[in-house]
Amino acid sequence: RKEVEQDPGPFNVPEGATVAFNCTYSNSASQSFFWYRQDCRKEPKLLMSVYSSGNEDGRFTAQLNRASQYISLLIRDSKLSDSATYLCVVIDYMDSNYQLIWGAGTKLIIKP
Amino acid sequence: NAGVTQTPKFQVLKTGQSMTLQCAQDMNHNSMYWYRQDPGMGLRLIYYSASEGTTDKGEVPNGYNVSRLNKREFSLRLESAAPSQTSVYFCASSEVGTGELFFGEGSRLTVL
Repeated sequence: RKEVEQDPGPFNVPEGATVAFNCTYSNSASQSFFWYRQDCRKEPKLLMSVYSSGNEDGRFTAQLNRASQYISLLIRDSKLSDSATYLCVVIDYMDSNYQLIWGAGTKLIIKP
Repeated sequence: NAGVTQTPKFQVLKTGQSMTLQCAQDMNHNSMYWYRQDPGMGLRLIYYSASEGTTDKGEVPNGYNVSRLNKREFSLRLESAAPSQTSVYFCASSEVGTGELFFGEGSRLTVL
């Protein structure tokens, strides 16, 4: 079983709709969580951190569900420019080291 | 505002040839990373450097070597390229222990 799993998609969504996708993680002790956005043939870029209390940035809302061990990303009023692959990252801290574990990404396509 | 700079952006090698991917960051970050990204597999860590003078193996280190030349530069060397090393390579940097990574634009390597 992969440590961090994402539905690869693609999610095909009409412009203006709301879309949400999840990322599940296997280590209950994982402490930090992030969403990255990666445009086609480009580098990943940090979208937002995921706090225990949730995090909202404009049309984007990220939430953490520790009981069920997943994080979610919700995009409201989707734009054509939101088309991208969304990667989740989980950080596990072990002794004095930390490890970033990446999901394989969920592809989102916004259609006009 | 250069951030993380990788060279070359594209390279075609024949099996058995060697090459070095260069990476430099100007954000005074301690941590630097080399990842490879293959379709459907997400980012896989090749090597990691927590600080100048230290390097650690990641998930897929076989066939690669790295050098943390100074705080700014972290190079990745393929001593004898194999077709299985055809991939997109990303260099990244961050402050130690954070999930906010800054990526270079990527190096697309094809091994024939």
